[in-house]
Amino acid sequence: GQQLNQSPQSMFIQEGEDVSMNCTSSSIFNTWLWYKQDPGEGPVLLIALYKAGELTSNGRLTAQFGITRKDSFLNISASIPSDVGIYFCAGVPNSGGSNYKLTFGKGTLLTVNP
Amino acid sequence: DAGITQSPRYKITETGRQVTLMCHQTWSHSYMFWYRQDLGHGLRLIYYSAAADITDKGEVPDGYVVSRSKTENFPLTLESATRSQTSVYFCASSATGISRLFFGSGTQLSVL
Repeated sequence: GQQLNQSPQSMFIQEGEDVSMNCTSSSIFNTWLWYKQDPGEGPVLLIALYKAGELTSNGRLTAQFGITRKDSFLNISASIPSDVGIYFCAGVPNSGGSNYKLTFGKGTLLTVNP
Repeated sequence: DAGITQSPRYKITETGRQVTLMCHQTWSHSYMFWYRQDLGHGLRLIYYSAAADITDKGEVPDGYVVSRSKTENFPLTLESATRSQTSVYFCASSATGISRLFFGSGTQLSVL
């Protein structure tokens, strides 16, 4: 099946720094999603991308749907301690069949040092 | 309160026992999903439902059973629990399909 390679696996940064993470695949995706998971909670949707080349912001977060439809990145500007958590990319594959089999990356663990 | 709730929050059981994890949502979302989250595997889809009385298998359905007699409830049953089913289980719902999921807080299940 389709796999998403998410990198980096973990990041340890100072408060105020910018952060960048990405997801790549050998397969084409129709939709890219970015979720954040706080400890002990379920993932929460941050940004949804539906078109190749689309660039979308949500406050200090910016995400882009790659032109090739095989990658996406998420940037966080001026990080703050509450940005700590696990960030997941997820994609809806272009292959035929069910539209409900969302593929998740394995996550990027972000730690912010105050 | 409105939203999606899972119960229990934590469960310890023994191999061979039947266990049911509950999921309830108050939004009347058509779509509901069960995922399991394991280190090294991320989130994997177990079962999903597009509407009441309509369910389908996901990526890892073996050993699990679901039902959806009412729109708001989507229980997940482990018929005979095994140690490999030790995991954190998340229920999710959506009004529009796969692209906007709302997740519950999870059930941490340990099978001894």
